[in-house]
Amino acid sequence: NAGVTQTPKFQVLKTGQSMTLQCAQDMNHEYMSWYRQDPGMGLRLIHYSVGAGITDQGEVPNGYNVSRSTTEDFPLRLLSAAPSQTSVYFCASSEDLAETQYFGPGTRLLVL
Amino acid sequence: GQQLNQSPQSMFIQEGEDVSMNCTSSSIFNTWLWYKQDPGEGPVLLIALYKAGELTSNGRLTAQFGITRKDSFLNISASIPSDVGIYFCAGQLYYGGSQGNLIFGKGTKLSVKP
Repeated sequence: NAGVTQTPKFQVLKTGQSMTLQCAQDMNHEYMSWYRQDPGMGLRLIHYSVGAGITDQGEVPNGYNVSRSTTEDFPLRLLSAAPSQTSVYFCASSEDLAETQYFGPGTRLLVL
Repeated sequence: GQQLNQSPQSMFIQEGEDVSMNCTSSSIFNTWLWYKQDPGEGPVLLIALYKAGELTSNGRLTAQFGITRKDSFLNISASIPSDVGIYFCAGQLYYGGSQGNLIFGKGTKLSVKP
C-alpha cells in the first residue's frame, strides 16, 4: 500500500489564482480530512469527509472547497488564493472517525 | 473552538536525558493520541490512549490518559538524537455518544542541546 499520497509537494501561487491539492489513499478508509499547519498553531481541521458523497466543515473552512466522489480521493480546492493561505497542508485518512488517522507527506503552498 | 494547551512549547535535550511533555484541555476527551513530526514529513502516530487512567508504552515512550479525561502526558526515556522533532498531542472530543474530530495541540519542539 502507498498509504496516503499528496500532490503536489510544493506550489507557488499568485493572489487570486485557483488550484486543487490532490489527496488519495489506497487503504479503503472511509474517513478523510484536510488540515493546515502554520508555525506555532499546530494542525487545524479545514474539511472532512466520513464517506463518499459526504463532506463537512472543520475549524477553518473559509476559502476552501472539497468533494468526495470516490472513497479513494479527497481533493481540496482553493477558489481564489490569498497570502493568508500560505501554509503546509496535510491530508489524513482513517477507517472511520473513531480510528487512528494516517497522514500524508504534506503540500507546501506559498501564495504571493 | 476547543483548544488543547500543550507544554512546553520547546525544549532542548541532551542524549540520555528523560523528557516529559503534557497536554491539558477544558473539555473531556475519550481518546488521546501522540504524534511525532519530522522536518518535511507528516505526523506519525506514536501512542494511542482510549481509557481514562491508561498507561501505555512504545519502546522508550510512555504516555498516560489522565483520570479526569482532560489531560495526557508523554515521557521519553534516555533520549537519543533521532528523538528531535515536533511532538503533537491530539484529543478526540466526546459528544455524548458521538465521536468528534481530532483537536491538536500546538506542538512541543525537541532540539538537541548545543
